[in-house]
Amino acid sequence: GESVGLHLPTLSVQEGDNSIINCAYSNSASDYFIWYKQESGKGPQFIIDIRSNMDKRQGQRVTVLLNKTVKHLSLQIAATQPGDSAVYFCAESGPPPTGGGNKLTFGTGTQLKVEL
Amino acid sequence: NAGVTQTPKFQVLKTGQSMTLQCAQDMNHNSMYWYRQDPGMGLRLIYYSASEGTTDKGEVPNGYNVSRLNKREFSLRLESAAPSQTSVYFCASSATYNEQFFGPGTRLTVL
Repeated sequence: GESVGLHLPTLSVQEGDNSIINCAYSNSASDYFIWYKQESGKGPQFIIDIRSNMDKRQGQRVTVLLNKTVKHLSLQIAATQPGDSAVYFCAESGPPPTGGGNKLTFGTGTQLKVEL
Repeated sequence: NAGVTQTPKFQVLKTGQSMTLQCAQDMNHNSMYWYRQDPGMGLRLIYYSASEGTTDKGEVPNGYNVSRLNKREFSLRLESAAPSQTSVYFCASSATYNEQFFGPGTRLTVL
């Protein structure tokens, strides 16, 4: 799976199936996690985020799971559609800095291809 | 609301030339960021501004300077462009410790 490090370059799924994109992180102090979708030629688009005090968070057709014990994050997309084809990035940041802001560290991305 | 806007969309420079990338946001966010994205890689933070009047280095600041002109605008300057700075540059903004919203990017080629 993807990490803030290694990644699975391409994931191919059939339209209508569920997709699972994985991400491993190494910083035990990571406090905030986020998934972005990036279509070709565009900027990253926010999908869903989760803080370290939660294990699971759901959005519209997407679920993020956080396992702090093994430092693993996953993004599940239900009933994958052709419009879901894109590169997906996970990112993480440490506790809120005193000066403000949110310094994200990004993984290298996973290409999701939806086959008709 | 336009969100985060960036100019220019494309730029070609010769080695040694200088240029400034412009970024503006209309979401009243305190924090703004500049990233670069190289082929097959994630985004790497160049500089950020946690709040108006402050700027800090990110992971790859060498060869760049920034200016937080006001709360809305955050510019990135390349004083003497090098081929290694060929990349896609993204600006982002956030309401302090929350999700970042990205602009459409500037595709820069340095010959």
